[in-house]
Amino acid sequence: AQSVAQPEDQVNVAEGNPLTVKCTYSVSGNPYLFWYVQYPNRGLQFLLKYITGDNLVKGSYGFEAEFNKSQTSFHLKKPSALVSDSALYFCAVRDIRRGSTLGRLYFGRGTQLTVWP
Amino acid sequence: SAVISQKPSRDICQRGTSLTIQCQVDSQVTMMFWYRQQPGQSLTLIATANQGSEATYESGFVIDKFPISRPNLTFSTLTVSNMSPEDSSIYLCSVSKNRGSNTGELFFGEGSRLTVL
Repeated sequence: AQSVAQPEDQVNVAEGNPLTVKCTYSVSGNPYLFWYVQYPNRGLQFLLKYITGDNLVKGSYGFEAEFNKSQTSFHLKKPSALVSDSALYFCAVRDIRRGSTLGRLYFGRGTQLTVWP
Repeated sequence: SAVISQKPSRDICQRGTSLTIQCQVDSQVTMMFWYRQQPGQSLTLIATANQGSEATYESGFVIDKFPISRPNLTFSTLTVSNMSPEDSSIYLCSVSKNRGSNTGELFFGEGSRLTVL
């Protein structure tokens, strides 16, 4: 089955420090992976995606993610966290199985990132 | 990208009533989806809104409870019928601009937060 796991409900980091939000996946076939961010009382905003190619993907707001096939992971990273990065982060995998709903995403449970000054 | 407007942004409803949520996109899109985000949980796909035909519902969701319309390529509605407190959630409209492709990201509206008393 297609699924993603975000093992941490919360991540706390000091401003200026590097941050990592973890995601592991389980898919049939090649994974199409996405990261989204949700600010309070807002919808989801797309950050970045991995479809193929370089394992290190760069996205919006200085975020990047590293695809690791052997570890089935797609961790989100940022070298220097900002207080404004505090939000809920979702990892998602696209369902690409034959006959599945085209465009469907399976989301993780989300990780609340808090960056303190 | 796509600009997606949802109405209402939030509402408080009485048990047994129905509420219709509107989703308007600023450009024509091939695919529109409705997701539900229950408190403290991840996003779950309710259905794919098909232009000019009946929506395609995911397992666990039925047309009688969540009737959906999509009269054109920029607009859709989701009705939550005969509401109960368990229907208290954020309902999110989502679109994809990539016909026949699984590589494109989804864009989300800001959500409609429903509270059922």
